Order: sequence, then C-alpha cells, then structure tokens
Amino acid sequence: QQPVQSPQAVILREGEDAVINCSSSKALYSVHWYRQKHGEAPVFLMILLKGGEQKGHDKISASFNEKKQQSSLYLTASQLSYSGTYFCGTADTDRDDKIIFGKGTRLHILP
Amino acid sequence: GAGVSQSPRYKVTKRGQDVALRCDPISGHVSLYWYRQALGQGPEFLTYFNYEAQQDKSGLPNDRFSAERPEGSISTLTIQRTEQRDSAMYRCASSFASSGGVTGELFFGEGSRLTVL
Repeated sequence: QQPVQSPQAVILREGEDAVINCSSSKALYSVHWYRQKHGEAPVFLMILLKGGEQKGHDKISASFNEKKQQSSLYLTASQLSYSGTYFCGTADTDRDDKIIFGKGTRLHILP
Repeated sequence: GAGVSQSPRYKVTKRGQDVALRCDPISGHVSLYWYRQALGQGPEFLTYFNYEAQQDKSGLPNDRFSAERPEGSISTLTIQRTEQRDSAMYRCASSFASSGGVTGELFFGEGSRLTVL
C-alpha cells in the first residue's frame, strides 16, 4: 500500500519552516525518509520506528504517530541546500523488509 | 568504489529486445533491492533479495521481468521482449541488514536509464 504524501509541492524562502506529511491506510511498522536532488539518487535522512519515535539531525526532524498511521518531516529555518524531492517509505510489518515509497514532495527554497 | 554501482548507466534498445541491468552492491550488504522510478515519481518497488534468496517479487510488473542474485552479491534485472512502457530509470539499492525486522538505510545506485524505441 503506497503511502500518501502531502503537500505535493512547497515553495519557501530561505529561513522559513516546512512540514511534510506521510500517511498510510495500513498499520505501519517503520517510516523512512529520503531526499533526492534533481538528477541524483535518493539519499537517506532517517528511520523512525513504532512507539511515537522522534528523531532529528541538524534542523531536520521527524515524528511517527503509529496510532494515526502517519509521520511528519519538519524542516526548520530552511537552507538552499534543502531543495529537492522528499520521499517517505513505509514498511507495514516487522517480517517484511519491503519499503514502499510515496510519490514525493517537491521542495523549492528561494534565496 | 564504495557505493552501489549500476551498469549500464544508459541503455537504448529497440522494442522486442532483451536487456540485462546489473547491480553491484556495497560489499557486505545483505539486502539488495530493485526499484523503478518514472520522472517526477517515487521509487516503485520491484523485488528484493536477502543474500541470494529472492524474498519478494510482488512488484515485478509481469513475467517479462526477472531478477537474480546467484552468489548473494551482484544482481541482474532482466527484461525480456522490451516494450516502450518499460522505459524508465531502474535503481538498485543495498542495505547492510535488517535489525529486529527493521530495514536499515538504503544506499541507492545512480540508476540505469532504459529507453525502449
């Protein structure tokens, strides 16, 4: 079951904040976040597990609400380097390593 | 190199021809994944392996698509009798292992762009 991401696209000015959401109609075991720049391969950001986990590095953090079957990625004080497409990937069981990705959220940061 | 290596980077073929796409994962990585990515879309799961065993092939579109990883390292995705709709970026990713049922970080290759004329 492909997770649903929102919004589809965001345009921000440098220094502004953004939230990207990822939701599923099925119970989730883990949520993965990746960023892909134009013409490049997706790059790992973080993994969140069941239990309402929150993680962060630099000014990018995420939360996972297993009851609501959703995760959110928070970008604080966005930098030009944050531009790209963000994908969430989900696994719905602890016995399956298959990661299904959403359609992505395109983030464009203006100077 | 230290990353996931895919070849060829670009492949142009005529409709009806067979193509083989190769993936050389990071040394020591147990899991290997194949995804297909259309322009502007997220990676679409095709299949994955743990060691040499194909664990899930539910994402392969039809029986023209097959994959193997005979020695638990290099993998080949084969598309027989290619069709124009097969044109896409095919990406391989590898992961060290799953831990407690959680797949670790996926390291993606640069992809093989297939164009079927």
